[in-house]
Amino acid sequence: DTAVSQTPKYLVTQMGNDKSIKCEQNLGHDTMYWYKQDSKKFLKIMFSYNNKELIINETVPNRFSPKSPDKAHLNLHINSLELGDSAVYFCASSQYVALAKNIQYFGAGTRLSVL
Amino acid sequence: EDQVTQSPEALRLQEGESSSLNCSYTVSGLRGLFWYRQDPGKGPEFLFTLYSAGEEKEKERLKATLTKKESFLHITAPKPEDSATYLCARGIREKLTFGTGTRLTIIP
Repeated sequence: DTAVSQTPKYLVTQMGNDKSIKCEQNLGHDTMYWYKQDSKKFLKIMFSYNNKELIINETVPNRFSPKSPDKAHLNLHINSLELGDSAVYFCASSQYVALAKNIQYFGAGTRLSVL
Repeated sequence: EDQVTQSPEALRLQEGESSSLNCSYTVSGLRGLFWYRQDPGKGPEFLFTLYSAGEEKEKERLKATLTKKESFLHITAPKPEDSATYLCARGIREKLTFGTGTRLTIIP
């Protein structure tokens, strides 16, 4: 069983479209994250949720909206896609928010290509 | 702003040739230094967490060490299956700030 699963694995779309990426974790964790990894492999946090509550919201355009229907799911919706949104998006989860105990488990990533 | 710098950017070693990867950071107030391994097409996988200067942790051929301003990942007698990108991240304000990684290739 995959611990953190994301769908789809690949997403190719046109500029201006709206798309969603889904993430589910079966680890029973309280905290979930979205990261963006650019073409230079730089991994940067976008959002984190703890028990469905937004904890971290980095300086991400408001075209990006995370939604957490329950603590096992954290979806990412992106409006009006731009070329610069092309990247690999990773979902992750951890048992705790506190960094002292914060081992994060990552999904396999969603490669988004905006044409 | 927090900065985490990893060097070298890429490293090619012969099988069995030991070496070290470096991770340095600029902001004080460390709340954990993390090492992850990332294979192509996959998400990062946790390796180690270090919390205080002088701390060391080992796993198979890998040993991570921590000083006040940097961490090293020592690889002893590596095998081809150790080929991956190694990411370090520092913890601050309940988030991880990642470096850009070292792409390690072990040649049989």
